[in-house]
Amino acid sequence: NAGVTQTPKFRVLKTGQSMTLLCAQDMNHEYMYWYRQDPGMGLRLIHYSVGEGTTAKGEVPDGYNVSRLKKQNFLLGLESAAPSQTSVYFCASSYSWAGEADTQYFGPGTRLTVL
Amino acid sequence: SQKIEQNSEALNIQEGKTATLTCNYTNYSPAYLQWYRQDPGRGPVFLLLIRENEKEKRKERLKVTFDTTLKQSLFHITASQPADSATYLCALDGTGSYQLTFGKGTKLSVIP
Repeated sequence: NAGVTQTPKFRVLKTGQSMTLLCAQDMNHEYMYWYRQDPGMGLRLIHYSVGEGTTAKGEVPDGYNVSRLKKQNFLLGLESAAPSQTSVYFCASSYSWAGEADTQYFGPGTRLTVL
Repeated sequence: SQKIEQNSEALNIQEGKTATLTCNYTNYSPAYLQWYRQDPGRGPVFLLLIRENEKEKRKERLKVTFDTTLKQSLFHITASQPADSATYLCALDGTGSYQLTFGKGTKLSVIP
């Protein structure tokens, strides 16, 4: 039982390049989330999904797209990376909606630098 | 405007004492409030959830209180140990639509 895994762990991009971050969970959770964490800003929700085939915008969705084609995977895409997207990205999942879930699981994070 | 404030960026405490961390919120009406622990270079780890109709919740050396009148949650670690040193985050379901909003965290250092 690996929990929540994220790929890659580190990445450096040039401005304008694109990339996809992969999140996978093996706990059969319905709900999945993408956050970014910046110094002095705390964790902020980018996008989330309440089930396979669904996605919704969070607090800071601009510049990102997501897909949930399979229940266990949640992909975060950057179409044209900007230096402002330099951050640590965390994926999380939960069995039920995070506010009432007894346990929400976070992945180890992806550290992204955009030059 | 809506705000979540955690009492201080950093808190130092002597080993064996009780650490008390504060989470205050403004212009939210949360039904749930959660506390997480985050170690450097790692993702947050869920610790406790407390509901609006619960005044207090305990788990081993941890205790959380939730006062919806004061709009405040207190997080206590009794008999603190150096291994408790970490950043602690509070989060609440303030905006609806399945979104959790996090505070910026308090970095706790327990000094031997």
